[in-house]
Amino acid sequence: GAVVSQHPSWVICKSGTSVKIECRSLDFQATTMFWYRQFPKQSLMLMATSNEGSKATYEQGVEKDKFLINHASLTLSTLTVTSAHPEDSSFYICSAPGLAGGRSDTQYFGPGTRLTVL
Amino acid sequence: GENVEQHPSTLSVQEGDSAVIKCTYSDSASNYFPWYKQELGKRPQLIIDIRSNVGEKKDQRIAVTLNKTAKHFSLHITETQPEDSAVYFCAASRPGTALIFGKGTTLSVSS
Repeated sequence: GAVVSQHPSWVICKSGTSVKIECRSLDFQATTMFWYRQFPKQSLMLMATSNEGSKATYEQGVEKDKFLINHASLTLSTLTVTSAHPEDSSFYICSAPGLAGGRSDTQYFGPGTRLTVL
Repeated sequence: GENVEQHPSTLSVQEGDSAVIKCTYSDSASNYFPWYKQELGKRPQLIIDIRSNVGEKKDQRIAVTLNKTAKHFSLHITETQPEDSAVYFCAASRPGTALIFGKGTTLSVSS
């Protein structure tokens, strides 16, 4: 149980275009999901917290108008990178807290999306 | 907000030796401390976690210790094997919030 999927697994796009990444909890409901970004040889950096039915909460330094997050259902959150530029090339990973032995602090990660902007 | 420091950034050991990675955290309200192993291009894989009501937890060759007073926790890997080579991340979180990660440790186990 507690599987999180992401789509696409990789994407290559031209500079200036927008890219949508989907994060789904397959066998559990997630009112909250988290989006992280990981540059090569670096750690996972929290970008934003996605809340079902309400606005996302963005970390300091993350442009909310550039990284649009929509959490329209209890199993789906989407991250849209608008007007992507080469510096947005990164590994984007989502996670959702799930119940493991009754605890909700265990995070289940999606497989990640490798974005390359040319 | 929470800040997690991780040391060392790289660690090289001989097969069979022990490896220790240490992390400190700043937020005294954090109560969940997982450790992840990440292989290149893949999602982080949870290898062990500890919660603030416990001081030590062990799972076969892997153990984690937590000192709440000092706000630090450590990962111990005994009898290391080449397949233990990877990047390891510690993290911390408050209840219901996102994980804040350390910068990672690249562990190399040579045979």
